[in-house]
Amino acid sequence: GAGVSQTPSNKVTEKGKYVELRCDPISGHTALYWYRQSLGQGPEFLIYFQGTGAADDSGLPNDRFFAVRPEGSVSTLKIQRTERGDSAVYLCASSLDLQETQYFGPGTRLLVL
Amino acid sequence: GQQVMQIPQYQHVQEGEDFTTYCNSSTTLSNIQWYKQRPGGHPVFLIQLVKSGEVKKQKRLTFQFGEAKKNSSLHITATQTTDVGTYFCAGFGDNQGGKLIFGQGTELSVKP
Repeated sequence: GAGVSQTPSNKVTEKGKYVELRCDPISGHTALYWYRQSLGQGPEFLIYFQGTGAADDSGLPNDRFFAVRPEGSVSTLKIQRTERGDSAVYLCASSLDLQETQYFGPGTRLLVL
Repeated sequence: GQQVMQIPQYQHVQEGEDFTTYCNSSTTLSNIQWYKQRPGGHPVFLIQLVKSGEVKKQKRLTFQFGEAKKNSSLHITATQTTDVGTYFCAGFGDNQGGKLIFGQGTELSVKP
């Protein structure tokens, strides 16, 4: 595809439910990143993958958050037992290699009621 | 952990005035990147600075990386309404791999 795509664009869920957010990176990009952005704040690093492995997951807030990238392309961010404080825009980005230009997707706006 | 701070948080200017945003890191950076996010949009890469004291220009935008590689600035000359948005700096620590830490951004509004 031409750019990074994310689905769904919006997700409304109830407190306690499980959600999955999907990211399709630019073809050929080895590095994939997840960020969370709250209103008026900069993107907050969550996790990044180099290939299939999670190279650094130090930004995940707690063990309710998990992400996978099983074939080194598409990634899924999974949030269990959602809480109202999880409401934010979840951004995915990809880059050709580490510390190169990151191309961001449009984000998934998550609202936990 | 590593922190990146930006000032000011907001800047309102008259079209034609200059604008500057400043970025400071708590640790030395291997390189720094700048992004622009339009209202309702996602961050879009502007530039990357790697060398100590580096200065790069893109038309009316001038980017600087400090000698100690802990601070950076973005200066826009003669702002236009198309410059509206939030400007973020983001840095990679020296041994941080692909972990990119963003500042909180400077929101620029331009009055025509």
